[in-house]
Amino acid sequence: KAGVTQTPRYLIKTRGQQVTLSCSPISGHRSVSWYQQTPGQGLQFLFEYFSETQRNKGNFPGRFSGRQFSNSRSEMNVSTLELGDSALYLCASSFGTGTGIYNEQFFGPGTRLTVL
Amino acid sequence: AQSVTQLDSQVPVFEEAPVELRCNYSSSVSVYLFWYVQYPNQGLQLLLKYLSGSTLVESINGFEAEFNKSQTSFHLRKPSVHISDTAEYFCAVMNYGGSQGNLIFGKGTKLSVKP
Repeated sequence: KAGVTQTPRYLIKTRGQQVTLSCSPISGHRSVSWYQQTPGQGLQFLFEYFSETQRNKGNFPGRFSGRQFSNSRSEMNVSTLELGDSALYLCASSFGTGTGIYNEQFFGPGTRLTVL
Repeated sequence: AQSVTQLDSQVPVFEEAPVELRCNYSSSVSVYLFWYVQYPNQGLQLLLKYLSGSTLVESINGFEAEFNKSQTSFHLRKPSVHISDTAEYFCAVMNYGGSQGNLIFGKGTKLSVKP
């Protein structure tokens, strides 16, 4: 079974630009979550999508947005990039959502975004 | 709000020595607990998890962690480390029973195993 894939793996942008990152979940998984990893703040939850609906959102500005398609693939978009947006962006997929019945999250390798 | 504290940002240790990576979480509500490992330039891999039942959980590569509800801790241990264990380790918590299934991570502990 193929794992979570993220594209591109590396990205260099300049301040003010926008960027779109892609995540393909494990086949059969319907939930996709996004996390930002930086040396200073560590791993922080961005948002979760399940069945094309945003179910949960972390404490990030509106410049960060996402969506999920009918095939469960997800994209996240960052507009008006700032230097502080340089980070490793990790995507995780799980079969379901919520924690009433535990849904293990499987992580992709991440997209490393550098903002110059 | 739930938070996770990993008390040591870096832990240097010699090969074949024992190691303990400490993790405490803030809220006493029902939780699921996890340890993830991240090797350089890679994503996160689940090392072990506590969902319910026995408070001692083990991984296939010799790590173990014990859930201590009274101390709200989930420390990771290995009796004898290898060079290949060099990586960054993250403790994470998920509050049980809610509609929000996101993980809350600690800041990570870099384990450096020296020969």
